[in-house]
Amino acid sequence: GESVGLHLPTLSVQEGDNSIINCAYSNSASDYFIWYKQESGKGPQFIIDIRSNMDKRQGQRVTVLLNKTVKHLSLQIAATQPGDSAVYFCAEILNSGYSTLTFGKGTMLLVSP
Amino acid sequence: EAQVTQNPRYLITVTGKKLTVTCSQNMNHEYMSWYRQDPGLGLRQIYYSMNVEVTDKGDVPEGYKVSRKEKRNFPLILESPSPNQTSLYFCASSALGVDTQYFGPGTRLTVL
Repeated sequence: GESVGLHLPTLSVQEGDNSIINCAYSNSASDYFIWYKQESGKGPQFIIDIRSNMDKRQGQRVTVLLNKTVKHLSLQIAATQPGDSAVYFCAEILNSGYSTLTFGKGTMLLVSP
Repeated sequence: EAQVTQNPRYLITVTGKKLTVTCSQNMNHEYMSWYRQDPGLGLRQIYYSMNVEVTDKGDVPEGYKVSRKEKRNFPLILESPSPNQTSLYFCASSALGVDTQYFGPGTRLTVL
């Protein structure tokens, strides 16, 4: 997984800070959005999802915000911990069929103790 | 333990030598998919399968084949690998469609 991080925008935060990771999606017809976390050497792991009829959804320490007007998603992580260090991807699904997923390029989050 | 397994995890091969990367899931999932991940390009879908004997192309299917003869297995076949297929490959599965996929650990392939 180490080469996954090359060429990615990076967000560096201190432990305990709140982190906000942004994503611009491409298709106004997209109906469903997912955030994934990918740690070094591992496959992507589901974090949280949101449907296009919602503006906000909260999970444990994470919140996803959706702004359909400007086609923008954000992932907020509260009280960021060193274990949150990873690459974060947003992904969109078109409402034409739940068969294919289009991933964004990702953001690397680095959390310093 | 519920999991998606891939083999091999690492492979170095030469141009033109056929290879197969296996993928197996133990969750009785209907949907399985293959992705490749390249620096600066993110994850791109190669092929997917909605069920046994049903496969379809993703965004980058050229140079790849798949088969789905059993529900648990979804091998990725490179008949004549080329250097531009050097990449990190992930298999994924879910009960229904793409929304709750579980990803395997990845296979790093290098084609010389």
